[in-house]
Amino acid sequence: ETGVTQTPRHLVMGMTNKKSLKCEQHLGHNAMYWYKQSAKKPLELMFVYNFKEQTENNSVPSRFSPECPNSSHLFLHLHTLQPEDSALYLCASSQDFPGAEAFFGQGTRLTVV
Amino acid sequence: AQKVTQAQTEISVVEKEDVTLDCVYETRDTTYYLFWYKQPPSGELVFLIRRNSFDEQNEISGRYSWNFQKSTSSFNFTITASQVVDSAVYFCALNSGGYQKVTFGTGTKLQVIP
Repeated sequence: ETGVTQTPRHLVMGMTNKKSLKCEQHLGHNAMYWYKQSAKKPLELMFVYNFKEQTENNSVPSRFSPECPNSSHLFLHLHTLQPEDSALYLCASSQDFPGAEAFFGQGTRLTVV
Repeated sequence: AQKVTQAQTEISVVEKEDVTLDCVYETRDTTYYLFWYKQPPSGELVFLIRRNSFDEQNEISGRYSWNFQKSTSSFNFTITASQVVDSAVYFCALNSGGYQKVTFGTGTKLQVIP
């Protein structure tokens, strides 16, 4: 039990589909993150939320749409994705002060066909 | 700009050997934090250690030890008497300029052979 739960664990979707990834944490953290992990590349920070407000958007294409209804839940809505979007998508949470360690979920392995 | 370099892509060692994972970082900030995370096959990154820029004291935790040297901008991780359970991908990360400004290295995949 990592404290951060992601669903689904695996997802295969067509380029015209719409799907959503879900992340949930009950660690009392104020900050939540979406990362993309592709083979042989550093983890790419996509979005950061602090108390439900988006504080970072690292030039992510609009086909990725985050939603943070409360401090415990984070969604990533996906539509009209491309094959190069296939990757492991990791959710994380942390306290919102410098140096705070992040707690990660197990990720959603996304394959776009 | 922040940068973290993990030059070793993959390392294989035989069980009980010692192994050192290298991490070199770049930042212009004087206050920063360095981390190591472990990613087992299950996928989640697990926090191992954090050091701040004002504390160069090395740390040992069981079979794990970390060597932080500001003079060479390095934060290396050594596993002593490696075990099969140590097989994973290890990430070094740098945090400076705010809690959300975290830069990860590309990771080092460690395989410990029985």
